[in-house]
Amino acid sequence: AQSVAQPEDQVNVAEGNPLTVKCTYSVSGNPYLFWYVQYPNRGLQFLLKYITGDNLVKGSYGFEAEFNKSQTSFHLKKPSALVSDSALYFCAVYMDTGRRALTFGSGTRLQVQP
Amino acid sequence: NAGVMQNPRHLVRRRGQEARLRCSPMKGHSHVYWYRQLPEEGLKFMVYLQKENIIDESGMPKERFSAEFPKEGPSILRIQQVVRGDSAAYFCASSSRDVPLGRSEAFFGQGTRLTVV
Repeated sequence: AQSVAQPEDQVNVAEGNPLTVKCTYSVSGNPYLFWYVQYPNRGLQFLLKYITGDNLVKGSYGFEAEFNKSQTSFHLKKPSALVSDSALYFCAVYMDTGRRALTFGSGTRLQVQP
Repeated sequence: NAGVMQNPRHLVRRRGQEARLRCSPMKGHSHVYWYRQLPEEGLKFMVYLQKENIIDESGMPKERFSAEFPKEGPSILRIQQVVRGDSAAYFCASSSRDVPLGRSEAFFGQGTRLTVV
């Protein structure tokens, strides 16, 4: 069965500092990996995805993520955090086999302090 | 092109009543997914539908919950005889093809927040 883990419930970072939100996955084949962001009382917005190719994926709002197959990780990063980045971030995995829908992690709340 | 539209945004039901949640996918999308988000938790998959077909309902509770996506009209998630534990945000997502077969991501609606009193 496919699963994804976000080990941190909350990440705090000062504005202007780099941020990392961690995600690890467990699948039996080659995964497709996604990051979504959720602002209060809103739906999820797509940030970026890894399908194949370059391990470093660039997405919306200056975010990027690095796919590391040996560590089964797909950490979300941004070089310089903004207060407006404060939100709930979800990592998700999809497999061609098995459940044909995204499986989400439990989410990580990012708090960027001014 | 309007995004995924869910209505109502907020729904209050008394215990024992029925809740009907509607989801209109993005134009041209024929795949619909329903997820449930409990307070302070992640999204849990419920059901995946294509037009007139349920593809995967492995996340649906065995009783009281049903979903449909008719040939015409929105997808409906129906909860009969609601209980307090059904209180949650219910999100619908749509995609144009199997995610990510077409390299497309799923687009989410703003959700319906169900409160059972």
